Amino acid sequence: DGGITQSPKYLFRKEGQNVTLSCEQNLNHDAMYWYRQDPGQGLRLIYYSQIVNDFQKGDIAEGYSVSREKKESFPLTVTSAQKNPTAFYLCASSTTSGFTETQYFGPGTRLLVL
Amino acid sequence: AQSVAQPEDQVNVAEGNPLTVKCTYSVSGNPYLFWYVQYPNRGLQFLLKYITGDNLVKGSYGFEAEFNKSQTSFHLKKPSALVSDSALYFCAVRDIAGKSTFGDGTTLTVKP
Repeated sequence: DGGITQSPKYLFRKEGQNVTLSCEQNLNHDAMYWYRQDPGQGLRLIYYSQIVNDFQKGDIAEGYSVSREKKESFPLTVTSAQKNPTAFYLCASSTTSGFTETQYFGPGTRLLVL
Repeated sequence: AQSVAQPEDQVNVAEGNPLTVKCTYSVSGNPYLFWYVQYPNRGLQFLLKYITGDNLVKGSYGFEAEFNKSQTSFHLKKPSALVSDSALYFCAVRDIAGKSTFGDGTTLTVKP
């Protein structure tokens, strides 16, 4: 089955700890995205990648980092610099980053701070 | 900067009645508009999009949306609501560079 997988489903972070959220897609999509969702708010773009080995900051990139070494993988690291990391994190991909392209979303990872 | 407004946090309808979830947008240039649905603790699922052409766009699960350029609106509609339509709905606008801006979402509750 083609799709986007995110792991883990739930993740707990201790103070001062970096954690990495996994996102994998087997749709052969060039573009991948990370969004943060908070209650009562829409999705906010953290980072996006239009192609392998390239990525750009979104609206709320501070405290986060990404890599895009493989087409199918776009992991997100939440660093200790992110002071309010508790949120639902969604990964998405699209065939390209063109404005007509539909984004397909993974099931999400909920990050909680201990 | 582009923006999306969903003026209603919550919409309640009875099963079998028509439903409307409102969305207005602000964007420079041509608008590229999307609707997504989110079920609890799940990712978003694509419903429909407007790129160009007919103002009435038909999508998944019997949903449709009407693009109104003069009112800068893209309201989501369904002629007859189902209980299973209960979910969180997001409107999004995409710019020519491919960046999406999402509304804050509207919770639709369909009661039997």
